[in-house]
Amino acid sequence: NAGVTQTPKFRILKIGQSMTLQCTQDMNHNYMYWYRQDPGMGLKLIYYSVGAGITDKGEVPNGYNVSRSTTEDFPLRLELAAPSQTSVYFCASSDLRTGSTDTQYFGPGTRLTVL
Amino acid sequence: DQQVKQNSPSLRVQEGRISILNCDYTNSMFDYFLWYKKYPAEGPTFLISISSIKDKNEDGRFTVFLNKSAKHLSLHIVPSQPGDSAVYFCAASKGEYGQNFVFGPGTRLSVLP
Repeated sequence: NAGVTQTPKFRILKIGQSMTLQCTQDMNHNYMYWYRQDPGMGLKLIYYSVGAGITDKGEVPNGYNVSRSTTEDFPLRLELAAPSQTSVYFCASSDLRTGSTDTQYFGPGTRLTVL
Repeated sequence: DQQVKQNSPSLRVQEGRISILNCDYTNSMFDYFLWYKKYPAEGPTFLISISSIKDKNEDGRFTVFLNKSAKHLSLHIVPSQPGDSAVYFCAASKGEYGQNFVFGPGTRLSVLP
């Protein structure tokens, strides 16, 4: 049981390039999330999904896209990388059911630098 | 405009002593609060939570206190151990839904042997 895995761990992009951050969970969780963490700031929600085929915007969605074709995978796409997207990206999942606490399980993060 | 504040970026405590990490929030609609712990090069891990219907929740060495009138919560770690050295994030939410979580900037705790 690997939990939440993210690839790559590190990446350097040039302005205008695109890339996909991969996220996979093997806990059969229905909810998945993408956050970014900038230095000295708390995690900010980019996008989330409540199940396969359903996604919604979080607090800071501009410049990103997501898809959720399976329960396990929730990739995050950057189409035109900008220096403002330099950050650490965390994927998380949770299994919120009626009456349960939404405890999120996080991946180890992807450190992205855009130059 | 930060809705969740952790005004101490860092805290140093001697092993065996109590660590107290503080968190303040501004939105009176928040009714669910959590603490996460993060080690370097790892993702945050859930530590403890508290609902607004309580003012205290304990789990082993960790206790969270909630003062709704002051919009303040604190995490107490007793006794502190070197393995507790990490960054601690406070989060608040309206309802127990992850998409509503608002995270503070974190406090780096160093427990000295």
